[in-house]
Amino acid sequence: EPEVTQTPSHQVTQMGQEVILRCVPISNHLYFYWYRQILGQKVEFLVSFYNNEISEKSEIFDDQFSVERPDGSNFTLKIRSTKLEDSAMYFCASSPAGASGNEQFFGPGTRLTVL
Amino acid sequence: GQSLEQPSEVTAVEGAIVQINCTYQTSGFYGLSWYQQHDGGAPTFLSYNALDGLEETGRFSSFLSRSDSYGYLLLQELQMKDSASYFCAVRVFSGTYKYIFGTGTRLKVLA
Repeated sequence: EPEVTQTPSHQVTQMGQEVILRCVPISNHLYFYWYRQILGQKVEFLVSFYNNEISEKSEIFDDQFSVERPDGSNFTLKIRSTKLEDSAMYFCASSPAGASGNEQFFGPGTRLTVL
Repeated sequence: GQSLEQPSEVTAVEGAIVQINCTYQTSGFYGLSWYQQHDGGAPTFLSYNALDGLEETGRFSSFLSRSDSYGYLLLQELQMKDSASYFCAVRVFSGTYKYIFGTGTRLKVLA
């Protein structure tokens, strides 16, 4: 069964450094998402991406963040100049289509620890 | 603003039925989803309601009342493996689609 994959599973970085979190969505899906979940808290929407551009972003997704689909399979989240409060689990998700793709398939997540 | 409310914790015994409620205040409401998340795991999709009424999928059912801005997830014949957090998520549309998740309900199933 196809699944969303994410690498690395755990990333440790120093405050102020840049990190890139990688995701491979399910191959025939069209919509891609990034979420974050601070330990013990709810899942928070960051950004959705369709047709090689951002379709929606939350207030959390400021200039510190960027997303890219560098090739036909990868979907990345870049966090510039990381802060302590960026420590969280970051989930990538994909869905077959926006209008009818009510089911989002989540990857296993990348745990980001900023020291 | 947009908000969702769920109970923080629910406890039930194996074999019982439990209902997890979700009330929402959003604009551009499009539908209500439910996700299950085990500790340390990723959310997994359970159900989606766009129209009023009950949707049944095996032991799990989900209900929506758009006029009341309310929905619930019903879990029947509880099993120990159902112990997890359950999130309701509202899909809103304002030109594009966006999901807003609730704070989650931690379900503890006791033997």
